[in-house]
Amino acid sequence: AQRVTQPEKLLSVFKGAPVELKCNYSYSGSPELFWYVQYSRQRLQLLLRHISRESIKGFTADLNKGETSFHLKKPFAQEEDSAMYYCALSGITNAGKSTFGDGTTLTVKP
Amino acid sequence: SQTIHQWPATLVQPVGSPLSLECTVEGTSNPNLYWYRQAAGRGLQLLFYSVGIGQISSEVPQNLSASRPQDRQFILSSKKLLLSDSGFYLCAWSANWGRDGYTFGSGTRLTVV
Repeated sequence: AQRVTQPEKLLSVFKGAPVELKCNYSYSGSPELFWYVQYSRQRLQLLLRHISRESIKGFTADLNKGETSFHLKKPFAQEEDSAMYYCALSGITNAGKSTFGDGTTLTVKP
Repeated sequence: SQTIHQWPATLVQPVGSPLSLECTVEGTSNPNLYWYRQAAGRGLQLLFYSVGIGQISSEVPQNLSASRPQDRQFILSSKKLLLSDSGFYLCAWSANWGRDGYTFGSGTRLTVV
């Protein structure tokens, strides 16, 4: 079984402060991990994939297989980063089905 | 470019009435298609997925069903809605067996009264 845990429902930081959204997973195979973001009144959209090792909008996430974590980080938060963030795990051996965490609402205060 | 359309955006239906939500994808062929339900303050729960025409897999037993009559069309249905079917329903598609992530539709807010 695959499971994704986002321990923080709410996270609030000040503009310019570093931010880290935590994600832990449980999966017996080799995981594909993703972060999705949902801005106010917009559709849920892909933010980044671990396999790409990319930085999107200043966010990065590193897969730590030892700690089974995929935390999302940004060194300097901006007000426009305020949104709901979901961590998701997909297994290519099961039709690409993704399991999502419960999400973290990030608020960046001015 | 690929796009995904989902409608209607909002729907209010009485208990016991039927349901049909539609999702179509453009600009790709043979996508994997998914229906999720998003509960407030909770994650997304996978309801159905499809890897091809007429191929439907159900993840949770429920009052809903899904069909895929065409390659890029995915329909979520119910014969008789229950109050507990209220929620926000999302359609998504993926290529490359999910390795590229999902593209989501804009969602349908269903309220059963």
